[in-house]
Amino acid sequence: DADVTQTPRNRITKTGKRIMLECSQTKGHDRMYWYRQDPGLGLRLIYYSFDVKDINKGEISDGYSVSRQAQAKFSLSLESAIPNQTALYFCATSDLAEEETQYFGPGTRLLVL
Amino acid sequence: AQTVTQSQPEMSVQEAETVTLSCTYDTSENNYYLFWYKQPPSRQMILVIRQEAYKQQNATENRFSVNFQKAAKSFSLKISDSQLGDTAMYFCAFINRDDKIIFGKGTRLHILP
Repeated sequence: DADVTQTPRNRITKTGKRIMLECSQTKGHDRMYWYRQDPGLGLRLIYYSFDVKDINKGEISDGYSVSRQAQAKFSLSLESAIPNQTALYFCATSDLAEEETQYFGPGTRLLVL
Repeated sequence: AQTVTQSQPEMSVQEAETVTLSCTYDTSENNYYLFWYKQPPSRQMILVIRQEAYKQQNATENRFSVNFQKAAKSFSLKISDSQLGDTAMYFCAFINRDDKIIFGKGTRLHILP
């Protein structure tokens, strides 16, 4: 089984809809991240969490919110989806004990119509 | 501000040849980590190699090696005996302790048969 899982893997939604992307990990890592990938722009950080009670905004947090339900779960919400949020979304985990190496989930491809 | 620059948006080489991907970064920190990630068409983000800044010895992983020049803030990836399965997007990334990871915009590598 994969160490970092994301659901759904693909999602099509309409403008104005609320959607949630979920991430779970079995690595026991404290730190979790949400990234967005757009062609030609690499990965950009949306939100990150260093433990269950810690939530921090990243580079592009506007239009997104997150919830860290447990050490193993970190969800990303789009309260009112818009077409320019069409992208590939990655969840990742890391731990100081592994020298900050980030382990990524398989990604969620989101299309907002 | 900390930045990561990959100056080669796209490269192509023949199978079995050696190829070098360039990466430079900017930081005032002394202790940090550098990474190369591979993203094949499956879109999964896969760790290729990791380098600790305090280690002078260049990291190697089978056919993958790095040329880490700390004073020049350069971190290039060399792929020896390239294979068709090496075709992917490659991202250079930088992190310092207790901070966020910063990715370059990527180099798309094509291995030609």
